[in-house]
Order: sequence, then C-alpha cells, then structure tokens
Amino acid sequence: NAGVMQNPRHLVRRRGQEARLRCSPMKGHSHVYWYRQLPEEGLKFMVYLQKENIIDESGMPKERFSAEFPKEGPSILRIQQVVRGDSAAYFCASSGPARGTQETQYFGPGTRLLVL
Amino acid sequence: AQTVTQSQPEMSVQEAETVTLSCTYDTSESDYYLFWYKQPPSRQMILVIRQEAYKQQNATENRFSVNFQKAAKSFSLKISDSQLGDAAMYFCAYRTHNNNDMRFGAGTRLTVKP
Repeated sequence: NAGVMQNPRHLVRRRGQEARLRCSPMKGHSHVYWYRQLPEEGLKFMVYLQKENIIDESGMPKERFSAEFPKEGPSILRIQQVVRGDSAAYFCASSGPARGTQETQYFGPGTRLLVL
Repeated sequence: AQTVTQSQPEMSVQEAETVTLSCTYDTSESDYYLFWYKQPPSRQMILVIRQEAYKQQNATENRFSVNFQKAAKSFSLKISDSQLGDAAMYFCAYRTHNNNDMRFGAGTRLTVKP
C-alpha cells in the first residue's frame, strides 16, 4: 500500500532554470495539495487540485508558479525561472474524495529544492 | 482569519517521562478538524493524531493523546512514556470542513534526553 510519492527528493537548479516537482497521491485518493516549507517554519498552503482541475490556488505566487493534475499521471508543480528565494521543501499531500476521508491529508516525503 | 499558534519553539523531556505540547488556534467556525503532525530529521510529515471539533471525547493514539478545549480554542498534545524516536518537530494544524487548505503552526522542536 504505497503512500504519497514525490520525486525527485532533492533538486538543484541554477537561477533562471525551471524546476518540475512530481507527486503521485495515495491509491484511491483524488485530491492533491501542495505546500511549501521554508527553513525553520511551518508548512504554507499553495494549491489544491483534483483530476484536471485546479480547485484553489490562493496560496500560489502569481508569477512563475503553476500546477496541474492531469487525468493520467502525477501532479506536477512547476516553477519557472527559479530564484534563490524559491529554495525550500515542497510537500505534496493527498486525501480521499468523500467526507470522512477528505479531512485528513497524508503527506509525501517532500522535495528539497536548492537554487544556486 | 484562521491562525494556529504554538508558543513553545523548543521542549525537552527525559526518556520515559511525559511531555505536553501546546497549541491554540483562532477561528469563528464551528465545524473543523485539528491535527498533530510529526516531522523527524528525515523531514517526512507523519500524522500523529486528529480530532474532530464536534467530538467532545479527546482523541488517543497509543502513547499520544490530546486535550481539546473547544471553548478555549486549545489543542495540546501529550506524549506519555517518551521514547528517543519521539524526537522531532511537532506541528499543530487546523482545517475547516469547507476550506481546502490546512493552517500550520510554526512548530515545536522536541528533544528527548536518554
């Protein structure tokens, strides 16, 4: 019973490059959430997606950041033209579709992005 | 605005002893959920325990229990018989039934002394 999977676990990019972070939710889960964690801080919500739909992107920066959750394949968080301030741990979480399973989010191991 | 406050940046406990981590939150909602997550050095976020606000009974998971005081908006975590493997950052989190995101506190770093 695989949990939430994220890859890569570590990603190094130079300023101006693109970063692509992938997340596969737990089996049976159709809701995906992305969070960002800066050093010594709690997690901050970025975006909530269901298959082929962005439901809530109120936590996403207005520029350079985008997310998708296609019908087939993992959810992707994409950061274009990365800057040093993007260096952080990015966590994906998933939850089930129905009340009783939707409230609890299960997290992946995170992707540590380092921008040089 | 819904905020979560953890007033203890760091806590320390002797192995086999009991420790309580504090968490308060601010909300005008009546239907919501509260969580404690553990983040060990591996930085994996692990669900420790959850509480539904409509339930008066405090949640318990083995050595972990909560003291949920809805009127005071307080949600503390008690760890009994502390073990070395309990050393981690602990995050309190809040989510309403209708909101899509969870709000996290800043975390409490727990050290367990042998």
